[in-house]
Amino acid sequence: GNSVTQMEGPVTLSEEAFLTINCTYTATGYPSLFWYVQYPGEGLQLLLKATKADDKGSNKGFEATYRKETTSFHLEKGSVQVSDSAVYFCALSGAAGNKLTFGGGTRVLVKP
Amino acid sequence: GAVVSQHPSWVICKSGTSVKIECRSLDFQATTMFWYRQFPKQSLMLMATSNEGSKATYEQGVEKDKFLINHASLTLSTLTVTSAHPEDSSFYICSARDEFGDLYGYTFGSGTRLTVV
Repeated sequence: GNSVTQMEGPVTLSEEAFLTINCTYTATGYPSLFWYVQYPGEGLQLLLKATKADDKGSNKGFEATYRKETTSFHLEKGSVQVSDSAVYFCALSGAAGNKLTFGGGTRVLVKP
Repeated sequence: GAVVSQHPSWVICKSGTSVKIECRSLDFQATTMFWYRQFPKQSLMLMATSNEGSKATYEQGVEKDKFLINHASLTLSTLTVTSAHPEDSSFYICSARDEFGDLYGYTFGSGTRLTVV
C-alpha cells in the first residue's frame, strides 16, 4: 500500500535560518503529493502540491519538487520566521477521489 | 477558495452521552468527505470515507456503530460519537473533496476537540 515517511521533529531553528523537511513516499502509479501545515488547535491548511514528476510546488516562500527517481518531496524554505512555527505534514493521494496518506508530521519551532 | 466550516470547535460532554460534529462545505459541493482522528502530537488517522447519499466506508478497527457518519447532502456531513467515553477524547477533523476532483483538492475543517469527562 501507499506510505509516507517524513523526518521526525521537533526541528528547532533560529529566525532567518534555512529549513528542510525530508519526505519520501512509497506508492503505485503516479500519486499527487502535498504538504499541509497545522497551527496549534487548528485543522490542516494546504501549503503546496505537485501532481506529476518534476513539478515544483511553491507557496509563501516554501518549495518542494516532486522527484520520482528518488520518490521524494522535500520541503524547503530559505528564511523562516517565527510565524512558521507549526506542524508540517507530507501526504499523497493515489488517484482522484482517493484518500490521503499522511506522514507522521514534523513539528517546527522557530525562535526569534 | 474552498472553505469547510466545522462545528463545534470544542465540546465537553459527560460519559455515555452522544456528540454530533458538523462539517459544511460553504462554496463548493463536497462529493466525498473524510473523517480523521488525531491524538496529541500524532498524525491524522483516517476513520471513514463517505460519499453523498451512500453509506460510509470505515477503516479497519473503527467501530461504525460508535462513530455514525451521515452525508445526506453535498454540503453537509456529520459525525456522531455515540455513548462517548473518556478514551474517545481526541481532535476530530473533516476533509472534503469537491465534485471536480482536483479543482480544490482536499479542504480541511478547523477541527473539533472532544473531551469526555
